[in-house]
Amino acid sequence: KNEVEQSPQNLTAQEGEFITINCSYSVGISALHWLQQHPGGGIVSLFMLSSGKKKHGRLIATINIQEKHSSLHITASHPRDSAVYICAVRNYGGATNKLIFGTGTLLAVQP
Amino acid sequence: DTAVSQTPKYLVTQMGNDKSIKCEQNLGHDTMYWYKQDSKKFLKIMFSYNNKELIINETVPNRFSPKSPDKAHLNLHINSLELGDSAVYFCASSQLGPNADTQYFGPGTRLTVL
Repeated sequence: KNEVEQSPQNLTAQEGEFITINCSYSVGISALHWLQQHPGGGIVSLFMLSSGKKKHGRLIATINIQEKHSSLHITASHPRDSAVYICAVRNYGGATNKLIFGTGTLLAVQP
Repeated sequence: DTAVSQTPKYLVTQMGNDKSIKCEQNLGHDTMYWYKQDSKKFLKIMFSYNNKELIINETVPNRFSPKSPDKAHLNLHINSLELGDSAVYFCASSQLGPNADTQYFGPGTRLTVL
């Protein structure tokens, strides 16, 4: 079993819908990242968070450290949001900054 | 200006060959990484260097040898390529520290071994 699990694996939504992608992890962490990988392949870091909630435009990321769970929400989804969304956690302790990745959620937003 | 660049973008080669992928970052970061993304899009750390020193080596076959001539460059050399090495390889960089943890990824190198 992977140390970082995401759900759903695949998600199809209609333009304008509110989207939630979930991430659960089983290791101690110092930070959690949400990444976006577009069909062209490039990977962009969306959020890094260790507690609470962060918002950037239509994207919102939350984390519950006690429950070892994070969610990524997209409000008013748009076809350009179609991408793979990847959750990654930074192992607690040490200075190695090692990330452990989830398997990704493939999101398709249809017009 | 490109923050993290990789060359080549595509690499097609025969089994048994030796090949290199180059990575450069102009962000002034201390730490650089190599990741492998398999056909199922799963990313996994291979190596990490901090100020030219190897700090992570994730049980990668010794056919893979990273080299960091300076902290802005991290190259990946692969000997005796195998079919299973076909993947997309991503270079990334970050500034170490709990509040400076964001990783910046290169565009990836798609390696196909025939």
